[in-house]
Formats: sequence, structure tokens, C-alpha cells
Amino acid sequence: AQTVTQSQPEMSVQEAETVTLSCTYDTSENNYYLFWYKQPPSRQMILVIRQEAYKQQNATENRFSVNFQKAAKSFSLKISDSQLGDTAMYFCAFMKPTPKAAGNKLTFGGGTRVLVKP
Amino acid sequence: SQTIHQWPATLVQPVGSPLSLECTVEGTSNPNLYWYRQAAGRGLQLLFYSVGIGQISSEVPQNLSASRPQDRQFILSSKKLLLSDSGFYLCAWSVLPTFSGGVIYEQYFGPGTRLTVT
Repeated sequence: AQTVTQSQPEMSVQEAETVTLSCTYDTSENNYYLFWYKQPPSRQMILVIRQEAYKQQNATENRFSVNFQKAAKSFSLKISDSQLGDTAMYFCAFMKPTPKAAGNKLTFGGGTRVLVKP
Repeated sequence: SQTIHQWPATLVQPVGSPLSLECTVEGTSNPNLYWYRQAAGRGLQLLFYSVGIGQISSEVPQNLSASRPQDRQFILSSKKLLLSDSGFYLCAWSVLPTFSGGVIYEQYFGPGTRLTVT
């Protein structure tokens, strides 16, 4: 079974600065997907970014980018130019693609709380 | 575009009472549907998933059950609630592959239901 570990329970960053969240995972699979989800105080889970393991290029979505190190099984998230609205819990998640009937289940890390200070 | 609804948003129920939480998805067909529970300050635990009408897979033994009476409706139930059933319940959907030939693996979440058992 796959496991996902987020070693930083909480981080704070000044507005406009950069913060990096770490995520490591354990799997014997070669093909898989990794995700970062954001959960603001409203508790709505929002997909931030995805990475396909077969792609060497790191994914980027506006101010959010990842550093995917497949050999190290590491998947960190960098938030640049932090904004107050970035304050949230951030969850790293792993998925091994399967046929639809097998469910394509996500395995989540425990989360990192990010506080952006003005 | 696809949307996902959950109701109620908040629920306070006494121990031993029944439970019914509903999740519906619009704008897609034959989705995979998921129920998660999130304890306060914790990560997400997958409770059930469904790959089609009447098809339910349980991930953890518990006091809850799930049903899928229609393609885009997913219901979480209990005959008698326990204090330990308190938490935040999230419904999610995913669809793969797409008719255009693409593949969507990520899951999209509803707004959640906060359940307090007293």
C-alpha cells in the first residue's frame, strides 16, 4: 500500500514571500499521479496542481509550482508571491491509475497548515 | 460544467439517531463517487467509493453505509449514530476516461457536511 508523508504540520510566511511544502511518498509503482489540494477555512477541497509521474517536467499553475523528484519519491509544492488567500491546509495526494472499476483511490498525506501573514 | 452538491451543510444529531447525507453531481455521467471523513485538524479518510449504480465498496469497517440509487446520487447513512461518527464528510467525483479521449484522474470535492453527534 502507498503512503504519503507531509513532515511539516504548520508553516508561516510573510505576504509576497515564498514558501515550500514538502511531501514524500512510498510506492513500488512506476506510473502514478500526484496532486496538491488546498483546503481553506471554508473546508472546500480545491485542486491546486497535478503531476504525472511519467513527465519529467515539473508542473506549474500560476504562482504554484512543484519540484518532482521521482527517484527520491519527493513532491514539494512552492507557493510564490504568497497572498493572504493562500492561508489554508495543503494536502499532498497519490493515485495509482487503475481501471474505473477499481476506483482510482487517492491516498492523502496528513496535511500542512500554511499561514500567510500580512 | 460539472458541479457537486452536498446537503445538509451542517447537522447536529443525538447518539443513536439515524443519518442520511446526500451528494449529487451535475454535468457528468457515470462518475466514480467517493465519501471521505475528516476529523478536526486531520487528513482525509476514504470511507466508500462507487463505480456505478448499486456498486459500493467499503474501505474501512464502521457504523456507516452507502448507497447509489441513481447514477449521480450518492448517499451516506447510518441506522444509529455514535459519538465517534462526528466529523466533516466530503463527497467527491471523478470521471475517466473522457469521450474526447483524454483522461481525468483527479477528484473534485463537494462543499462538505459538518456532522456533530451529541
